Amino acid sequence: DAGVIQSPRHEVTEMGQEVTLRCKPISGHNSLFWYRQTMMRGLELLIYFNNNVPIDDSGMPEDRFSAKMPNASFSTLKIQPSEPRDSAVYFCASSRGQQNQPQHFGDGTRLSIL
Amino acid sequence: AQSVTQPDIHITVSEGASLELRCNYSYGATPYLFWYVQSPGQGLQLLLKYFSGDTLVQGIKGFEAEFKRSQSSFNLRKPSVHWSDAAEYFCAVGATGAAGNKLTFGGGTRVLVKP
Repeated sequence: DAGVIQSPRHEVTEMGQEVTLRCKPISGHNSLFWYRQTMMRGLELLIYFNNNVPIDDSGMPEDRFSAKMPNASFSTLKIQPSEPRDSAVYFCASSRGQQNQPQHFGDGTRLSIL
Repeated sequence: AQSVTQPDIHITVSEGASLELRCNYSYGATPYLFWYVQSPGQGLQLLLKYFSGDTLVQGIKGFEAEFKRSQSSFNLRKPSVHWSDAAEYFCAVGATGAAGNKLTFGGGTRVLVKP
């Protein structure tokens, strides 16, 4: 089975530009998570969805960040406008929604804002 | 609220030696516990999980972990380390909540394997 698919794998752009990261969860999984990983702050949960509905977005750092899940097989994380401090690796993970189910991670998007 | 502490930021071990990574959690109910491994440039891969039952759980790549409720610990072990085990390891606890299965991760332990 295909795992969690993220695109692009790498993104380099100039500050002020809009950045869109994409995620396709594992088929049949109804929970989806967006994380950010940096050396300074480690792994941070930004937002998670259950059945396409945002449940907890308390980790979203600023209004410049937004996430959507229009259907069960696709989610986006958008940063507009981007800033150099947004440079990080962004991971998407999915799981079955039950409490004892593990999350399965994509390979991440390495984002560099110049 | 739940929390996870991994006291060791870095560990260096010789190839063939045993490895133990510590994990302590804080959670008010029966925890769901996980260990993940992250190789450079990769996402997190599930090594093993504990929900209930036998407190010694076996995972992939020869890893095992032992749940000790009295110590609020879930330490990860491997009897003989291979060079390919060099990676970062994360312990996580699952939260019971309104929906979904949010995980709280520890800060990670980076393992370096010496030849």
